[in-house]
Amino acid sequence: GENVEQHPSTLSVQEGDSAVIKCTYSDSASNYFPWYKQELGKRPQLIIDIRSNVGEKKDQRIAVTLNKTAKHFSLHITETQPEDSAVYFCAAIPSYSSASKIIFGSGTRLSIRP
Amino acid sequence: ETGVTQTPRHLVMGMTNKKSLKCEQHLGHNAMYWYKQSAKKPLELMFVYNFKEQTENNSVPSRFSPECPNSSHLFLHLHTLQPEDSALYLCASSPGTSGTSYEQYFGPGTRLTVT
Repeated sequence: GENVEQHPSTLSVQEGDSAVIKCTYSDSASNYFPWYKQELGKRPQLIIDIRSNVGEKKDQRIAVTLNKTAKHFSLHITETQPEDSAVYFCAAIPSYSSASKIIFGSGTRLSIRP
Repeated sequence: ETGVTQTPRHLVMGMTNKKSLKCEQHLGHNAMYWYKQSAKKPLELMFVYNFKEQTENNSVPSRFSPECPNSSHLFLHLHTLQPEDSALYLCASSPGTSGTSYEQYFGPGTRLTVT
């Protein structure tokens, strides 16, 4: 079936360094790829998303890249700060269906070392 | 506050109990969702309602029964649950289910423990 694989499951980086989280999807019809951040004890919140007609999107220190040929997309966080510590989830939604087919990755727990 | 509220925030129930989870959104959205979040597992989409109509049931056992009386309210009725059903149950809403309307606005969740 359709799935989204996310790596790594845990990531620890020094404050100020960059962090990269990668996801691979199986359904080539997917055309919308959101990223959610879930801080400890809080609800997931959308931080950035990308559509299949775009290769890269940036929002301040956060960027997402998409390679449709290889069916993978990545989240890049530069100049990491303590408040970036959280669990990050990628997701994919096929174009032929509604959001009822949202498939999430298993999450990456990002820790920022002071 | 994101505008999506859930009650109760914590629930402990026995396997023979019947309980209900409630979700309410104040965002004027048309779609509502139930997710299950277990430790070390992906977020699992359970049910989707769009304009009060159920559009998806992702092979969820019948001991979970959703109800959506209107676009602002969503319930999850629970009965004869199993210990493995213990998890965080998240409700979410979105403006719609197509185009640019996918963004999920999550509630704070209900932490369910089945004893």
